[in-house]
Amino acid sequence: DAGITQSPRHKVTETGTPVTLRCHQTENHRYMYWYRQDPGHGLRLIHYSYGVKDTDKGEVSDGYSVSRSKTEDFLLTLESATSSQTSVYFCAMSGDRDTAGTFGSGTRLTVV
Amino acid sequence: QQQVKQSPQSLIVQKGGISIINCAYENTAFDYFPWYQQFPGKGPALLIAIRPDVSEKKEGRFTISFNKSAKQFSLHIMDSQPGDSATYFCAAHTSGNTPLVFGKGTRLSVIA
Repeated sequence: DAGITQSPRHKVTETGTPVTLRCHQTENHRYMYWYRQDPGHGLRLIHYSYGVKDTDKGEVSDGYSVSRSKTEDFLLTLESATSSQTSVYFCAMSGDRDTAGTFGSGTRLTVV
Repeated sequence: QQQVKQSPQSLIVQKGGISIINCAYENTAFDYFPWYQQFPGKGPALLIAIRPDVSEKKEGRFTISFNKSAKQFSLHIMDSQPGDSATYFCAAHTSGNTPLVFGKGTRLSVIA
C-alpha cells in the first residue's frame, strides 16, 4: 500500500551463514536506503543508493553489502552473519521531490 | 559523531498534557528537518517537517518550533492522547544526494 515492501518480515539464521534481505518499491524513486534499528541507537544508515548500480556506505556498513541492478529492487546481504547483526532492518525510499521518504515495515533478523 | 542530538530518551505524559521533544544539530548546511512517528512493529512515518526559513509549523495538534540561531528544533504535541504513544525521531537533511541524519529517538508514553 505504501509502495515499498520488505521480505522476509522475520528471519532466524545461524552464525556464519549468508543472508539477503530484499526491498522492493513501485514508486520509481531514485534513492533507496537500508537502516538498522537497535535499542539506544535509533536508526543507523548501513548503505544507500542514488541510482541503479550507484551505492555508497553509511555509518555502519562493515559486514554488509548491497546491490541495485534495477530501480525497484535494493538488496542487503550479510556475507557471514554474526550475532551483532541481530536487529530490525528497515528499507526506505525517497525521490527528488520527496525528501522525507517512505519506510518499509521492517525485517526482524535474529542470528543465533 | 552524532550530528543530531535528541532528548529526552523517554517521556511519560498525562493524557491532555503537552509532550515536548527536543533536537539539536551542528551542521549549518542542514536545510530540512522532519519528524517521524513509529509504532511498534511498523516503520517510521513522516509526521511533520520544517525548513529553516520559518520558525514554526503547525499541523493539528503537532507543532515544530525551529530556532536557527540556537541550532535547535522541537516537536510539541498538544492535548496528548494515549494513541500518540510511540517512538519519535527527529532528522535533518542537506540538499543533494546525502541521506537523512536521525536522532536516537524518544519513546513517548501517554497515560490516562
